[in-house]
Amino acid sequence: KAGVTQTPRYLIKTRGQQVTLSCSPISGHRSVSWYQQTPGQGLQFLFEYFSETQRNKGNFPGRFSGRQFSNSRSEMNVSTLELGDSALYLCASSLGGLAGTDTQYFGPGTRLTVL
Amino acid sequence: KNEVEQSPQNLTAQEGEFITINCSYSVGISALHWLQQHPGGGIVSLFMLSSGKKKHGRLIATINIQEKHSSLHITASHPRDSAVYICAGMDSNYQLIWGAGTKLIIKP
Repeated sequence: KAGVTQTPRYLIKTRGQQVTLSCSPISGHRSVSWYQQTPGQGLQFLFEYFSETQRNKGNFPGRFSGRQFSNSRSEMNVSTLELGDSALYLCASSLGGLAGTDTQYFGPGTRLTVL
Repeated sequence: KNEVEQSPQNLTAQEGEFITINCSYSVGISALHWLQQHPGGGIVSLFMLSSGKKKHGRLIATINIQEKHSSLHITASHPRDSAVYICAGMDSNYQLIWGAGTKLIIKP
């Protein structure tokens, strides 16, 4: 089985722009979770999607949003980018248990740099 | 105060040594993950535990839900084990709470 894939792998944007990141889960996995990783804050949970519905959400502002399609692929959108949004964005997929109840499989991440 | 604490923060050992990384948490959790992150960002999920002990190759993870403590052990450590090891627990809101990670360096 192919692993979790994320596109693009690297992205450079300027302040005020918006960005869309994509995550394709492992075939058969219905849950996709998104995380932000920064050197100062470590891994922070953004949100989790299951069957096209946001099932869980972390403490991030409304500029961070996501969605999931019927094939379980997920996108994450960040609007009005700020310098502090520079980070590695990771997605993880699992069979369907709530994030934390199933083994999660991580993608390679998208490294976003905001200038 | 972080609700999930790992110790040590940094660990340097010689090849072949037995490694223990500890994770303790102050909130009730029902499951705990151990993950490995290599330089460059790639994260690998090692274990998901809700009780007892799991073993995979040279890696062993244990958890004691009552004592709110988990350990990750590496036997016969090797330089390729050098990575950051992260534990994360799922809280009552079904959110993962992450530890800060333990940076492990195994010297040949």
